[in-house]
Amino acid sequence: EAGVTQFPSHSVIEKGQTVTLRCDPISGHDNLYWYRRVMGKEIKFLLHFVKESKQDESGMPNNRFLAERTGGTYSTLKVQPAELEDSGVYFCASSQLPGRWTSGSGGELFFGEGSRLTVL
Amino acid sequence: AQSVTQLGSHVSVSEGALVLLRCNYSSSVPPYLFWYVQYPNQGLQLLLKYTSAATLVKGINGFEAEFKKSETSFHLTKPSAHMSDAAEYFCAVSESGSGGGADGLTFGKGTHLIIQP
Repeated sequence: EAGVTQFPSHSVIEKGQTVTLRCDPISGHDNLYWYRRVMGKEIKFLLHFVKESKQDESGMPNNRFLAERTGGTYSTLKVQPAELEDSGVYFCASSQLPGRWTSGSGGELFFGEGSRLTVL
Repeated sequence: AQSVTQLGSHVSVSEGALVLLRCNYSSSVPPYLFWYVQYPNQGLQLLLKYTSAATLVKGINGFEAEFKKSETSFHLTKPSAHMSDAAEYFCAVSESGSGGGADGLTFGKGTHLIIQP
């Protein structure tokens, strides 16, 4: 079974340009999450989709970031226009259940390899 | 609010030696606790999780962690390090039991584990 895949693995752009990151979750996983790790800092939550609906986007930094999940399958995260502080690694994760963990239950998040964004 | 502190951005041990990666958490409710590992050029992989059952949790690849409420700690250990254990390790806490939101998964800054031959 294919895992969570992200594209591109690395993107280098100039300040002011636009970049679109893509995430393909594990087939059948309704829940999709985006996280970001800025260099030297923690991995931080950005937003959570349930199917095509945004369940929680409280972690999105500002309105330069736009996430979509049309049809409830793959998701895109667009940064427009990119700023220097947007550099980092963007992780996508998916789960079958809404990430609620109890002893022995599912809900585990499966992460992709991340997309590294460098803004010059 | 929940938070995680991982002591040491880099930990170096000799092959065959004990691995100890430290994690302390802050949570206003009984937490869910996790250790994730990221091997080079791979995604985050769940090593183990604590979900209010046994306080000593066994994970994959011989790792285990013990939940100590009195110390608010969830340190990761492995009796004998192997070269293949070289990776970055992340401790994470969740108050809500959810992956998302302000009380969802909160990660520490990560610890690079270096294995000396």
